[in-house]
Amino acid sequence: AQSVTQLDSQVPVFEEAPVELRCNYSSSVSVYLFWYVQYPNQGLQLLLKYLSGSTLVKGINGFEAEFNKSQTSFHLRKPSVHISDTAEYFCAVSDHRSGGSNYKLTFGKGTLLTVNP
Amino acid sequence: ETGVTQTPRHLVMGMTNKKSLKCEQHLGHNAMYWYKQSAKKPLELMFVYSLEERVENNSVPSRFSPECPNSSHLFLHLHTLQPEDSALYLCASSLQGHRDDEQFFGPGTRLTVL
Repeated sequence: AQSVTQLDSQVPVFEEAPVELRCNYSSSVSVYLFWYVQYPNQGLQLLLKYLSGSTLVKGINGFEAEFNKSQTSFHLRKPSVHISDTAEYFCAVSDHRSGGSNYKLTFGKGTLLTVNP
Repeated sequence: ETGVTQTPRHLVMGMTNKKSLKCEQHLGHNAMYWYKQSAKKPLELMFVYSLEERVENNSVPSRFSPECPNSSHLFLHLHTLQPEDSALYLCASSLQGHRDDEQFFGPGTRLTVL
């Protein structure tokens, strides 16, 4: 079984400040890792994903995340946030399966990022 | 229409009503999913359809009944719901069997059960 822990339920920051949203996972097998963003009244949108290769993954809107296998973490970072980054962010994990099918996503509870002027 | 669409966007129903949620994907995908998103809880995977066959049913009460008539459409039929079923119901689709089978989500249906 897999699980995802997002340690912070809410993160308030000021505009142009850096931010890190934390995500830790547990799994007995190799995993794929994802960050999704949900803006108010919308569905989830993929920010970035780690499948293999370089542990530093760059995504949309200036976000990046680093996969750390020894610490089982996949923290999301942005060096300078904007008001428009205010949203809920979800970390998710799926395990490797033969043929590459990874439909079973396990999500964390989410972190609400609020960017203040 | 592009991506994944869901109708209606908002639904209020009584416990004795019967209603259906509709999801349509315009991405040529072969797998579709229903998730339940409740406040303060992680997204819960309810059902997965792959090539129109149900491959996952995560102990969902029988008052929720999914239907996948073809690879582009997914329904969730609702009857005799409880107030605790009030939540945002999200549909997603993906190209299963492909290494990079990212799930694309619709905007959701906000369901309120009175």
